[in-house]
Amino acid sequence: EVQLVESGGGLVKPGGSLRLSCAASGFTFSLYTMNWVRQAPGTGLEWVSGITGDGNHISYGDSVKGRFTISRDNAKNSLYLQMNSLRAEDTAVYYCAREISGRYCDYWGQGSLVIVSS
Amino acid sequence: IVLTQSPATLSLSPGERAILSCRASQSVSSYLAWYQQKPGQAPRLLISDASNRATGIPARFSGSGSGTDFTLTISSLEPEDFAVYYCQQCSSWPLFTFGPGTKVDVK
Repeated sequence: EVQLVESGGGLVKPGGSLRLSCAASGFTFSLYTMNWVRQAPGTGLEWVSGITGDGNHISYGDSVKGRFTISRDNAKNSLYLQMNSLRAEDTAVYYCAREISGRYCDYWGQGSLVIVSS
Repeated sequence: IVLTQSPATLSLSPGERAILSCRASQSVSSYLAWYQQKPGQAPRLLISDASNRATGIPARFSGSGSGTDFTLTISSLEPEDFAVYYCQQCSSWPLFTFGPGTKVDVK
């Protein structure tokens, strides 16, 4: 059974940093592109970042470019999102999601809540 | 590519047919997916590649369209279908974009 479990969320002050993790199981992690998608309270879904299975291709949404860094450790079946220079507008539930061939995301984690507030 | 969904809210009764629309600002071929999201839950994949039902999705859900205009149809609403539905395009990989969502609520 495919499982994605996020962790690392919490309350952080503006300008602070946080690192999210996503533990994957039930599939060959290294074969899949993985994504982070976020959802601010009461709003829709926003794609944040993606990384290919081998880690060689990485992309970011414009709102996080230069502040967030995505990475993965295939030996540990884990995906990460390092978030620096956090702003109030980064407050959201962050989901990790498995991508299928650049077309859609078939499995999602339960989400990790990040609150940026003083 | 910008996705527009209509209507923003659809108020229907159980047993009725729901028709949700998603329009892209330029062609996305058939690279469009639909997701269902209930409060406090992660999105769930319903439809991929415009018309392919995901594993375990009931046959009352169907998707159609190509290019810029797409439709998600729920043939007969069940109580568990009242939720928010998002479309997502992926023709400009790796830049996924989502539509703003359509909320299907109880009339």
